[in-house]
Amino acid sequence: DQQVKQNSPSLSVQEGRISILNCDYTNSMFDYFLWYKKYPAEGPTFLISISSIKDKNEDGRFTVFLNKSAKHLSLHIVPSQPGDSAVYFCAATGYQKVTFGTGTKLQVIP
Amino acid sequence: TAGITQAPTSQILAAGRSMTLRCTQDMRHNAMYWYRQDLGLGLRLIHYSNTAGTTGKGEVPDGYSVSRANTDDFPLTLASAVPSQTSVYFCASSEVPAPNTGELFFGEGSRLTVL
Repeated sequence: DQQVKQNSPSLSVQEGRISILNCDYTNSMFDYFLWYKKYPAEGPTFLISISSIKDKNEDGRFTVFLNKSAKHLSLHIVPSQPGDSAVYFCAATGYQKVTFGTGTKLQVIP
Repeated sequence: TAGITQAPTSQILAAGRSMTLRCTQDMRHNAMYWYRQDLGLGLRLIHYSNTAGTTGKGEVPDGYSVSRANTDDFPLTLASAVPSQTSVYFCASSEVPAPNTGELFFGEGSRLTVL
């Protein structure tokens, strides 16, 4: 039973435009939500997080939005750059473990 | 900068053989984890260790065993490999177990193919 879901396996965006990656979850007890970025042949690296008590967190070009009533979070990348092309994993913490989604492959077209 | 070192980088293994994936960290983190990444399934937790001397089961522990004799090392053993264990394996660590901020540090992965 997938508690953290990323329903879009891939996304293509033009350079300079906004990339929006989506994630849904089922467990209302999650404490923190995170995004990880993964390049081919490398391990995932932490990108940005948001506490369950907040609805927005911004770090440079990256903003994460949390809608608790809808059990939905999204990652906005503005403006998108070719170096942002990677697989993005949504994750959530709770019950002493970190649960990951299935990943969305973002391609930013120059 | 080292962080987490995994070995081997890749391996082809005959079904029924045993294999140990090695993981070493130099950050003195208390908690360590093993995940496997499979297409369409994301990252799934196999085993974890909150501190040296303790281990626990994750989502998909069957067919795998771990040990944590000291802070730095967390090897993953497949006693008798099966083709369904073909995957990319990632070792990770965190300063505290399942940190509130969720920040884990990952190694570069070990690609295992079981034939």
